[in-house]
Amino acid sequence: GAGVSQTPSNKVTEKGKYVELRCDPISGHTALYWYRQSLGQGPEFLIYFQGTGAADDSGLPNDRFFAVRPEGSVSTLKIQRTERGDSAVYLCASSSPQGGRGASEQFFGPGTRLTVL
Amino acid sequence: AQKVTQAQTEISVVEKEDVTLDCVYETRDTTYYLFWYKQPPSGELVFLIRRNSFDEQNEISGRYSWNFQKSTSSFNFTITASQVVDSAVYFCALRASNSGYALNFGKGTSLLVTP
Repeated sequence: GAGVSQTPSNKVTEKGKYVELRCDPISGHTALYWYRQSLGQGPEFLIYFQGTGAADDSGLPNDRFFAVRPEGSVSTLKIQRTERGDSAVYLCASSSPQGGRGASEQFFGPGTRLTVL
Repeated sequence: AQKVTQAQTEISVVEKEDVTLDCVYETRDTTYYLFWYKQPPSGELVFLIRRNSFDEQNEISGRYSWNFQKSTSSFNFTITASQVVDSAVYFCALRASNSGYALNFGKGTSLLVTP
């Protein structure tokens, strides 16, 4: 079956612009996560969705970052007034319904490489 | 707070050598989950293993084996008879049951296997 897909694979934008990054999770996975990976670092958590609602957005760095998942499937990460420091690979992951917190492994997409000039 | 330390930044071995990647974790939760992921040059993170805190049994999968020791808060990963295709960055991650849904990743160990 298809894995997690992310579009675009690369995005170059200018400082101050608005960008949207899309994630399509594995079919049937109700949990969806966004992470950000800077060069030479491990992924850092941004936000977690269970269904349509953001169950944990504690990792969003500031109010320029926002994510939605209106129908409980595809998610969009939105970044307003981009800054050069936002340049990173943005990773999306999904996992199957889990009986308890932390039980299921997360399957990652290929990421979107965002470059802010 | 949760923390994962991968002290080895880069490791270089010759093909067919065995190599162990170290992972040390910190958490105050009694229920937690440990993971290893592989990130090849293509960039996509590949899930390798999940281990919960109640199961200290070591696991072997082909050339891969994992040693989980709660007494030393370590979850080390050994590749036996390494191959060039094993070259990648390997990440250890922790998820504590009562501390949110995020995976807390280490900084990764870059493994280079040369012919």
